[in-house]
Order: sequence, then C-alpha cells, then structure tokens
Amino acid sequence: SQQGEEDPQALSIQEGENATMNCSYKTSINNLQWYRQNSGRGLVHLILIRSNEREKHSGRLRVTLDTSKKSSSLLITASRAADTASYFCATGRNSGNTPLVFGKGTRLSVIA
Amino acid sequence: DAGVIQSPRHEVTEMGQEVTLRCKPISGHNSLFWYRQTMMRGLELLIYFNNNVPIDDSGMPEDRFSAKMPNASFSTLKIQPSEPRDSAVYFCASSPSPPNQPQHFGDGTRLSIL
Repeated sequence: SQQGEEDPQALSIQEGENATMNCSYKTSINNLQWYRQNSGRGLVHLILIRSNEREKHSGRLRVTLDTSKKSSSLLITASRAADTASYFCATGRNSGNTPLVFGKGTRLSVIA
Repeated sequence: DAGVIQSPRHEVTEMGQEVTLRCKPISGHNSLFWYRQTMMRGLELLIYFNNNVPIDDSGMPEDRFSAKMPNASFSTLKIQPSEPRDSAVYFCASSPSPPNQPQHFGDGTRLSIL
C-alpha cells in the first residue's frame, strides 16, 4: 500500500510564485525524501530529511517534517518554468531491509 | 559519472511475445530496484535486489514476470508472455545499501504491448 500521499494532485502557478506541496504518511519513518520527475525521464532525488530533523534547505527548496502529524511539505520559492515536473515524496522505514515507498506525486505546472 | 543505464528506451511488441528489459546500475551500488509506472497505479515496486540477491519480489504481478541479477553490474526484467495490460514505463533504480537511502533512477523503458 502507498505510504506517502501527496497533496494537491496538480498545481498550476505563475513564474515567480512559490509552490507548496504536501505529503502525508501513515507509519513511523527513518527519513523522508522528495524526488522530481520531468516528462519522459526518471525520478531525480532532491532532498532527504531525517526523522529527527524539522526543516532542511537546498537552494530554492525548503522541506519541513512534522513527525507528530506524519506530514511533510516541499516549498519551491521563486518558481521557474523549468520547475515544471511531477514531485514525489518517498518514505524510508526504520527497518534496514525495507525499501522506499513512493506516493503518486504532485504535477506542478509553472506558467511563464 | 555514468548513471543507471536502461535499454531499450522504447519497446513495441505484440501480445504473447517475450520482452526483456535491461539495466546497468551505478558501480558500487548494492541495491537494485525495478519499478512500473502507470497513470492509474502510479509508481509500483516490482522487486528489489541486495548484493545480487532478490530480497522482496512481492510486487511482481504474476508468474509471467521474472527478474534476475547475475552480477553486480547487470539485471534483467522479463515478461513472458506479454499482455496489453503490461504496457507501462519500467524503471530501474540503484542505491547504496541500505535500501531506504536515496535512489538513482534510469530514464526508463516505455513498453507498449499491442
């Protein structure tokens, strides 16, 4: 079953605006990761946040994690047309042999 | 650095034919994953290997699907016989151990079964 569920399913914004995507999950995790997928390409890892971290930054990306609510958010600031893609969260469990579980993604469209 | 390499990029074949998808993981990565992506079901994990050994194949949909990893630098996913509902994009990914760490994806094989 899906562990991560992204919200919204689709998001359309103007270039320069901020984009916020949310992810909810159901069980305890070791880490949570965000990935981007451009059309016709594979997923690309963006950022990992560990369960004992609350916020992490990477360039124009800001990720927050609230383990009490079992939720995470990905904020892309000052969006660009090149940010148009699907964004997925994936949860890593504490068990060493359990692989990541991916959500169904949010399709982001940034209009120039 | 070479990423995960998948072949072919596109495959179109008729129902009933055998299909073989290939993957070369990143050198030094101990975990290898096969996924299937469709609009309806999203990204599904089919099977994953650790140190060339299949660890979890519970996502393999039917006996028509099989996967092998004969060595650390090569894996195959085979469908025999293929059916139209197998049409999807198939991704291979690799990661350093353990498997809950960031994964590196290939660009996928777009499979169409007529």
